This record gives sequence, C-alpha cells and structure tokens, in this order.
Amino acid sequence: AQSVTQLDSHVSVSEGTPVLLRCNYSSSYSPSLFWYVQHPNKGLQLLLKYTSAATLVKGINGFEAEFKKSETSFHLTKPSAHMSDAAEYFCVVIPRGGGSYIPTFGRGTSLIVHP
Amino acid sequence: EAGVVQSPRYKIIEKKQPVAFWCNPISGHNTLYWYLQNLGQGPELLIRYENEEAVDDSQLPKDRFSAERLKGVDSTLKIQPAELGDSAVYLCASSLQGGETQYFGPGTRLLVL
Repeated sequence: AQSVTQLDSHVSVSEGTPVLLRCNYSSSYSPSLFWYVQHPNKGLQLLLKYTSAATLVKGINGFEAEFKKSETSFHLTKPSAHMSDAAEYFCVVIPRGGGSYIPTFGRGTSLIVHP
Repeated sequence: EAGVVQSPRYKIIEKKQPVAFWCNPISGHNTLYWYLQNLGQGPELLIRYENEEAVDDSQLPKDRFSAERLKGVDSTLKIQPAELGDSAVYLCASSLQGGETQYFGPGTRLLVL
C-alpha cells in the first residue's frame, strides 16, 4: 500500500520569493514520484518526475524537487515565484513493484502568489 | 501529437439518469486510467486498463459504474443510475505502460441535479 501527504493545503508567497511545497510519501516498494500542476479549468500537467536516477530532479518552469529516501519526502521548490505559478499542485506516488502500478495522489496544495 | 481527448467537457443530468463519458488516449499508449476528482481533492483512481484488460478496478463502484476499452484504444465510462454524489470531474489519462508518466485529458465535469 502507498500514501501521499501534502503537508499544506494552501501556500501563499509574494512574487519573486521562493516556493516550497511539501510532500511526504509511503510505499511498500521503491516509488516513482511525480508533481503535477492544475491551473483552473485546465488539465493536469506534469512538472517533473523521479524514477530511480538522480535524486535532484529538474522540471519545467524552473521547478525542481529532491527525493530524500531517509525522510520519505519529495518537496517541490522554485527559487522565485511568478504570478503564473498560481495553481493547484499534486504530488503522486506509483510503487515500482508488486505488479500493480496504482497511482496515489495527494490532496493537493493551492499556491497563491501575491504581487 | 494530439493529447488525450475527452468528451463531453460538461454534462448536466437529473439523478437516476444514465450518463457516459468517452476518452481517446494518446496513440500508442497501452495504459488508460479513469479518475474521479471531487472539488478540492486529488484525483482518485477508478480503473486502470492495460490494453483491453482492466487490471485495477477495486475503486470502481460496480453497482452503478461500468467501463470498457474495446480493442484496447478508446474507452467509455458509464454511470447508471447517476446519484447526486456523483457530481465531480471525471479525468482520463494514458501512459505508455503502467508506472510511467501519465498524460491527462481536460476532464468531464458532471453535475447531477
């Protein structure tokens, strides 16, 4: 079984300041981890993914995330927020093993960016 | 390359009526997913197909929900009869195979009155 906990339902930042969206996971098998973004009335878009290579993963639009196995975390960061980053962000875990690739989504973190 | 296509985008029905959603995945993607997304929540998997075989459907309420993926390409999700609590967004996604990156369609927003 696996689970995902997004520690903040809302994160509010000022434009130009750093962004940190936190995600903790549990998985019976080595996981693949993903971050998706959902803008209002738009489909989910992949930001980045971790499979089993480098633990620091770079994604689109300046986002990156670091896989920390010891902390079972996969936090999403960006050095400088832009107004267009305001959206809902989802952390996703898929176990790589056991023969069943059931994706589990977190509840989401709403990023609010103030001018 | 065309993305995942879903139709309709919006649907309003009265309770106890049937409703169907259609999804055409990205060409060549063997794995297809149907999700339910309630307001303010993350998507929840309803069913996953590998080609035409449903391999994960434990979350699908089988008394009223059904799905099919004939010929292993496009898929249909049906609700009969619909209940008020079924109001949500129904998302379809596809990937090359299980465990790989999923590509999502725009979703179908269902309102049951």
